[in-house]
Amino acid sequence: QVQLVQSGAELRRPGSSMKVSCKASRDTFTTYAFFWLRQSPRLGLEWMGGIIPMSGTANYAEKFQGRVTVTADASTSEVFMELTSLKSEDTAVYYCARGVNLADGGGVAAFDVWGQGTLVTVSS
Amino acid sequence: QSALTQPASVSGSVGQSITISCTGTSSDVGAYDYVSWYQQHPGRAPKLVIYDVNKRPSGISTRFSGSKSGTSASLTISGLHAEDEADYYCSSFTGSDTLAIFGGGTRLTVL
Repeated sequence: QVQLVQSGAELRRPGSSMKVSCKASRDTFTTYAFFWLRQSPRLGLEWMGGIIPMSGTANYAEKFQGRVTVTADASTSEVFMELTSLKSEDTAVYYCARGVNLADGGGVAAFDVWGQGTLVTVSS
Repeated sequence: QSALTQPASVSGSVGQSITISCTGTSSDVGAYDYVSWYQQHPGRAPKLVIYDVNKRPSGISTRFSGSKSGTSASLTISGLHAEDEADYYCSSFTGSDTLAIFGGGTRLTVL
């Protein structure tokens, strides 16, 4: 069964940075795009950005551009998301998710495998 | 982009059918046939139940179906089971830098 395993919960101070990891199986890592989303009671589900590991091409939501960086490490089959200049409003559960990959080009912007989530709390 | 609009809650009895609506704009739901629906139980990650408006991923029950008309999409669950009680979120491709936007979620209560 395909799994995405994320790093553990973090507590961060306002103004600092966070970096969350997501480990995939080798065959999944080389075949799919991976995305980061977050969920909070106030803002709901938000798409933050994503990467195609084999090309290194990354894209980011307008809201987070300049603050978020998504990277991938082929040697460990891991995807990372770094968010800087943290504010209390960044307190959320952060998820990595795999993009649907269909030969006919369908499944655009659909996410079929999710990590377990990483709670990040931003508080002084 | 603004979030998609969903009702806060719906309810139905075991065995009945329910429909959850999702309203967007001509820039998202109305522009593309890339609407997805996710089921989320408390404390768990979202689970994809519908993609491309009306397609089911492998392993998802045929009781789940999706449709779209204009700038609105719908998820129908027929023959409700107790385990269908969860939060449901719609999502749409936007064609912009922000790949996908989501609805605020609908809490389904199975009576």
